[in-house]
Amino acid sequence: DQQVKQNSPSLSVQEGRISILNCDYTNSMFDYFLWYKKYPAEGPTFLISISSIKDKNEDGRFTVFLNKSAKHLSLHIVPSQPGDSAVYFCAASHAGGTSYGKLTFGQGTILTVHP
Amino acid sequence: DTGVSQNPRHKITKRGQNVTFRCDPISEHNRLYWYRQTLGQGPEFLTYFQNEAQLEKSRLLSDRFSAERPKGSFSTLEIQRTEQGDSAMYLCASSPAGTWGSPLHFGNGTRLTVT
Repeated sequence: DQQVKQNSPSLSVQEGRISILNCDYTNSMFDYFLWYKKYPAEGPTFLISISSIKDKNEDGRFTVFLNKSAKHLSLHIVPSQPGDSAVYFCAASHAGGTSYGKLTFGQGTILTVHP
Repeated sequence: DTGVSQNPRHKITKRGQNVTFRCDPISEHNRLYWYRQTLGQGPEFLTYFQNEAQLEKSRLLSDRFSAERPKGSFSTLEIQRTEQGDSAMYLCASSPAGTWGSPLHFGNGTRLTVT
């Protein structure tokens, strides 16, 4: 039962263009969503998050959009840079009570940004 | 800020042996989490502690797995009678408690190979 899905295993983008990574979820109880980036041989690094009371959150080149009715979120990176090449994980949690650190992750999308 | 530290980075063991991993969280973080990641998948939640109390365990955590966090500082994860299916990356993360929306900070993981 995959509650968080990233249906694109990989994405290739030219430097300077926009990268759009997508994520779908099925659990209506999820109310907090995060994106993590992972380089080989390193642990995941937090990028950006959004709570269910918002539909957009921006941090520099990174913007996350949340569509609650569609149970869909996306991460936009603009402009993309070669250093952005990594695996990107979408994660979700039910932040109510004590469970906000119990994250459910998607399978990841490998982003490659070509110079 | 030295980040979350995990030791060892790599462990190769024979089936049936016991192994123990250590995690040192960020010093002011009182929440500590263990996750497991297999190839091509996102991290999966195993268990978490608030201070020395283990508050939740996943169904993934069989009886062969045990985690401790004595004195609410570092944590150990022990796997008894290892099986080939235990081969994975074991990730530790920490966060401050009581801070809604505070993201998890991950260590670089311990890669376990069971032969």
